[in-house]
Amino acid sequence: GAGVSQSPSNKVTEKGKDVELRCDPISGHTALYWYRQRLGQGLEFLIYFQGNSAPDKSGLPSDRFSAERTGESVSTLTIQRTQQEDSAVYLCASSLAVGGTYNEQFFGPGTRLTVL
Amino acid sequence: GENVEQHPSTLSVQEGDSAVIKCTYSDSASNYFPWYKQELGKRPQLIIDIRSNVGEKKDQRIAVTLNKTAKHFSLHITETQPEDSAVYFCAATDNYGQNFVFGPGTRLSVLP
Repeated sequence: GAGVSQSPSNKVTEKGKDVELRCDPISGHTALYWYRQRLGQGLEFLIYFQGNSAPDKSGLPSDRFSAERTGESVSTLTIQRTQQEDSAVYLCASSLAVGGTYNEQFFGPGTRLTVL
Repeated sequence: GENVEQHPSTLSVQEGDSAVIKCTYSDSASNYFPWYKQELGKRPQLIIDIRSNVGEKKDQRIAVTLNKTAKHFSLHITETQPEDSAVYFCAATDNYGQNFVFGPGTRLSVLP
């Protein structure tokens, strides 16, 4: 079946502009995660959704970052007034269930954001 | 909150040798420990995972061991091949999938 998809695959923007990144999780996956990965670095947790609620927003770097999710479907990560340090690959992952056995996260291909 | 450390940060081995990567975690509530492999320019993919009711799990050339008392778990790759070259991330989380914390990664290079 279809995996996690993200769009756009690449985004180049000017400093100060807003950007919106989209994630389509695997159908039926209740949990959705956003991560940021700078070049050559590890996975920095940003936010986690269970359904359309976000019980853990602790990883959002600043109030310029926000995220929404519609039901158990699409999520968007919005970065306002982008800065050069926001340049990174933004990865989305989804997981079948939160409680119980199914915790494996399936990652999307990522969106490479470049802020000039 | 959970804190996951991972060592070494880089590892080079000769083809055919074994590689071991170790992780420690801090939250005793964590009970799910996956390992992800990320090849250059690609997304992370799960290679093996272990839950706290199991001490060891093996899948062909890959094995993971867990010591819950000491709060550490390790990835073992035997008979390494060049295609094993990648960055490996460990992670820890509780049963609810919250507080999903990744280690900083280990860059493994398998030399032919």
